[in-house]
This record gives sequence, C-alpha cells and structure tokens, in this order.
Amino acid sequence: DTGVSQDPRHKITKRGQNVTFRCDPISEHNRLYWYRQTLGQGPEFLTYFQNEAQLEKSRLLSDRFSAERPKGSFSTLEIQRTEQGDSAMYLCASNPGQGNTGELFFGEGSRLTVL
Amino acid sequence: SQQGEEDPQALSIQEGENATMNCSYKTSINNLQWYRQNSGRGLVHLILIRSNEREKHSGRLRVTLDTSKKSSSLLITASRAADTASYFCATPLTGANSKLTFGKGITLSVRP
Repeated sequence: DTGVSQDPRHKITKRGQNVTFRCDPISEHNRLYWYRQTLGQGPEFLTYFQNEAQLEKSRLLSDRFSAERPKGSFSTLEIQRTEQGDSAMYLCASNPGQGNTGELFFGEGSRLTVL
Repeated sequence: SQQGEEDPQALSIQEGENATMNCSYKTSINNLQWYRQNSGRGLVHLILIRSNEREKHSGRLRVTLDTSKKSSSLLITASRAADTASYFCATPLTGANSKLTFGKGITLSVRP
C-alpha cells in the first residue's frame, strides 16, 4: 500500500487563475477528506466523501471551490479564480469508513501560492 | 471553529528531557487523537484514546484523557531531535467516525 498521494506538491499561480489538485487515497478506503491549513494553524475541514457521494461541505468551501470523487477512488479539488487568501496547504486524508475509529491517513499535501 | 486547543503553543527542550503537551476541548467526544506534523509535510497519526480510557501508551508516548475536565495530555519521554515537529490534538465532533477537528497545534523543538 503506497499511502495517500497528492499532486502537485507545490503550485504557484497568479491571482485569477484556476488550479486543480488531485488526491489518490489508500485503496479500499471509502472516506476521503480535504482540509486546508494556513501557516501556524491546524488543518481546517473543507469537505468529505463516502465513496463517490460528497456528504458534507464546510462553509469555508466557497462557490469558487469544487470537489469531486467521480468513481469513488481519486478526488480532485478545483479552485476557480484564485485569490491571495487561497494560499495554503491543501491536505487530503482517507480512512476505511464505517466501523472505523476515525483515524485519518494524510497525504503530504499540495502547497498553493497565489501571487 | 476549532474544538481542541493545545497548550503551550511552543515548547523547547533539551534532548533526553520529557515533553508534555496539553489539549482542552469543548464538547463531549467519542475519542481524542494526537497527530504529528513535520515542517512542510502531512500529518501522521500518533495515538488514539477512547472516551472510556484514561491512559494509553505507545512506545515513548503516553496519553491521558480526563473527560470530566475535557482535557488530554501527551507525554513524550526521552525526547530526541527527531521529535521536533508540530503536534495536534483532534476530535470527531459527532460519533466515532465523523470528520476530525484540529487544534492550532504545539510547536516542539528538541535541542541536540
């Protein structure tokens, strides 16, 4: 098992551009989570999926943000019309889902810098 | 909003010393978890303690939970330079398998 992988690890973009991050969870993990982390803060929940269903979205997830998990495996997080305030580390995590104690397995994150 | 709050915000100790970090939370929990994050990396799960447990050990880690005070502590014994990292407590808000909410973290520096 290769763990949770995220791509790209780093992204520098200009304000107003669109960016997309990809997350490949641990295989057979049903739940997939996206978090955002800014410098000096803990991760903040954005959204999560149970298989392909998006079950919850945070108020932090404005209409410029969209997440998908079309086949219940990998997920993408797209940010449209990026703003400087979107600069952060975007973390993906997965866990087996029902019956699990809730421990999350994190990827290494995708760091976004908006100029 | 963040459920857990860690204390202190930063801790600097000498290698070989013990490091104690505290976490307080606001609402009833099913379990409490501690994670470590090295600079620029993802989070790594360290240990989970259930609400009906008072103490748990894993290697050099000891975690305690006091549900009456809504607090937990993480003790790292015989610290090493490699323990330098940020440490976060996290709790699921509702049920055992809901999303985790994290505190702001504690920055631990272990001097060689």
